[in-house]
Amino acid sequence: GENVEQHPSTLSVQEGDSAVIKCTYSDSASNYFPWYKQELGKGPQLIIDIRSNVGEKKDQRIAVTLNKTAKHFSLHITETQPEDSAVYFCAARFGNEKLTFGTGTRLTIIP
Amino acid sequence: KAGVTQTPRYLIKTRGQQVTLSCSPISGHRSVSWYQQTPGQGLQFLFEYFSETQRNKGNFPGRFSGRQFSNSRSEMNVSTLELGDSALYLCASSLDSLYTEAFFGQGTRLTVV
Repeated sequence: GENVEQHPSTLSVQEGDSAVIKCTYSDSASNYFPWYKQELGKGPQLIIDIRSNVGEKKDQRIAVTLNKTAKHFSLHITETQPEDSAVYFCAARFGNEKLTFGTGTRLTIIP
Repeated sequence: KAGVTQTPRYLIKTRGQQVTLSCSPISGHRSVSWYQQTPGQGLQFLFEYFSETQRNKGNFPGRFSGRQFSNSRSEMNVSTLELGDSALYLCASSLDSLYTEAFFGQGTRLTVV
């Protein structure tokens, strides 16, 4: 089955700097890669996703890049703000099979 | 548009008891997936229901079961509760098999004592 590895497990960045979280997946057939943000006491919130026919996608300060050959994808957050502090999860999926999640990255923005 | 609603938000149960959790998906969504979240194991997939049929199943014992009703609402049941079942149980809804965006509810925090 699919296996998703996520790094780093914790990340601290100064407010205003950029943050990058990386994930690798094992199943080359996976074609959908979402990112979720989970704040304390809440469920994961979908913040951006990318499909395998696209190499990069941006939404304001957030971007995701996908390298199908290397089987890895990354989340980039620019101009970080205190409200970006949360746990971020990557995931991978093929078709309508289950989502397989990474182990999460706790991002802390230092004011 | 209302999001995914899970009830109850919190539960405390005793070992050996059973529990039923409920999930109401976003209106029009036909797929509901359930996940168990624990600090040690992260987000683990339990099962997915689509149009009242179980479509995918994770690697959990038979004590964990679920069902989906004709209005797409779903329930999951855990029988003979163990201490290790303490976790946040999340459900996620998706429109249908052609759309893969999954939206999560707030979860049900189950504590087994």
